[in-house]
Amino acid sequence: DGGITQSPKYLFRKEGQNVTLSCEQNLNHDAMYWYRQDPGQGLRLIYYSQIVNDFQKGDIAEGYSVSREKKESFPLTVTSAQKNPTAFYLCASSISTGGMKETQYFGPGTRLLVL
Amino acid sequence: QKEVEQDPGPLSVPEGAIVSLNCTYSNSAFQYFMWYRQYSRKGPELLMYTYSSGNKEDGRFTAQVDKSSKYISLFIRDSQPSDSATYLCAMVNQAGTALIFGKGTTLSVSS
Repeated sequence: DGGITQSPKYLFRKEGQNVTLSCEQNLNHDAMYWYRQDPGQGLRLIYYSQIVNDFQKGDIAEGYSVSREKKESFPLTVTSAQKNPTAFYLCASSISTGGMKETQYFGPGTRLLVL
Repeated sequence: QKEVEQDPGPLSVPEGAIVSLNCTYSNSAFQYFMWYRQYSRKGPELLMYTYSSGNKEDGRFTAQVDKSSKYISLFIRDSQPSDSATYLCAMVNQAGTALIFGKGTTLSVSS
């Protein structure tokens, strides 16, 4: 089955801890994205990558970091600098040729909670 | 003024009703318009994608874009309990450099 997988489904973070959210896709898409969704809010872009070993900051990149060492993988680290990390995190991918005009396919999400 | 405005609802309708969901926007550079459906605690899935003005129909769903009024709509005919979800509008500028989401409207269809 082609698709996007995110793990874990739920993640708990302690004060001062860095945590990493996994995102893997087998759609052979070039572009991958990370969004944050807060209750009653739309999706806000954290980081995106259009090609391996390259990524750009989105609207709310502070306190987050990413890497893109493989085409199919785009992990997101929530660092201790992110003071309000509780949210639903969504990973997406698309064919990159048209930029944001391309349809983005979303994973099932990871819910991050602070202990 | 926010770039994309969407009434969060909740919107409650009986099964079989016609539902109208709407978004307004302020940036005339938006050219590509999407509607995503998001079930509770799941990722969004694309329902409809339209370019510029006009209507697009897919089964019970119709997407409408009125660029002169900066207004887009999603109509659901013969609504079903399985349509209960949050509906997010999203739009992209001509250059393809920005994708902006509305906050979503929560719909509940009762049987």
